[in-house]
Amino acid sequence: SQQGEEDPQALSIQEGENATMNCSYKTSINNLQWYRQNSGRGLVHLILIRSNEREKHSGRLRVTLDTSKKSSSLLITASRAADTASYFCVETSGTYKYIFGTGTRLKVLA
Amino acid sequence: DTAVSQTPKYLVTQMGNDKSIKCEQNLGHDTMYWYKQDSKKFLKIMFSYNNKELIINETVPNRFSPKSPDKAHLNLHINSLELGDSAVYFCASSLGTSGVHTFGSGTRLTVV
Repeated sequence: SQQGEEDPQALSIQEGENATMNCSYKTSINNLQWYRQNSGRGLVHLILIRSNEREKHSGRLRVTLDTSKKSSSLLITASRAADTASYFCVETSGTYKYIFGTGTRLKVLA
Repeated sequence: DTAVSQTPKYLVTQMGNDKSIKCEQNLGHDTMYWYKQDSKKFLKIMFSYNNKELIINETVPNRFSPKSPDKAHLNLHINSLELGDSAVYFCASSLGTSGVHTFGSGTRLTVV
């Protein structure tokens, strides 16, 4: 399958804890993006990290990128019940070529 | 104002029918996409149009035909619907080469 792999597939944590999701991709990327999908809704863009960047922050989100291992991780700090959703990484390579990962289902318990 | 709107939200139809899903974006984006999300939540690109021209056409049965009348619209027509076509179809758009997508809320297609 050309699809990127994410792990874990599912993650359940308590409110206030940190959540870490990992993504393995397959191509030589231009950038890697993370999206959130709430149940029954469309995907929402969270953060983009370029291939020459190693770390990026946005609010409670921290993304790292290791191009030598073709992997990325998304850390959500101080999680909230509203963070409950599925999270997808998307590798962007070439022109208009986007490959979505398999997704991590995050459940934050209040 | 809805940025990427697709209609209908739900579509239930019988095998063999022909149906269309419409998508419109008011963001001024130059590229539009159709994605299919299956029951396992895997998302796969089907088509991509840049400035009304088809640029990506993944391995999709030719029963699926996209049409982009202008940069703001990308419709998807499906002929002879099959049970396996049941899925959620997402329209999205982006601007420039970074590829940051704005997604519609999806059309849940159920073929019975």
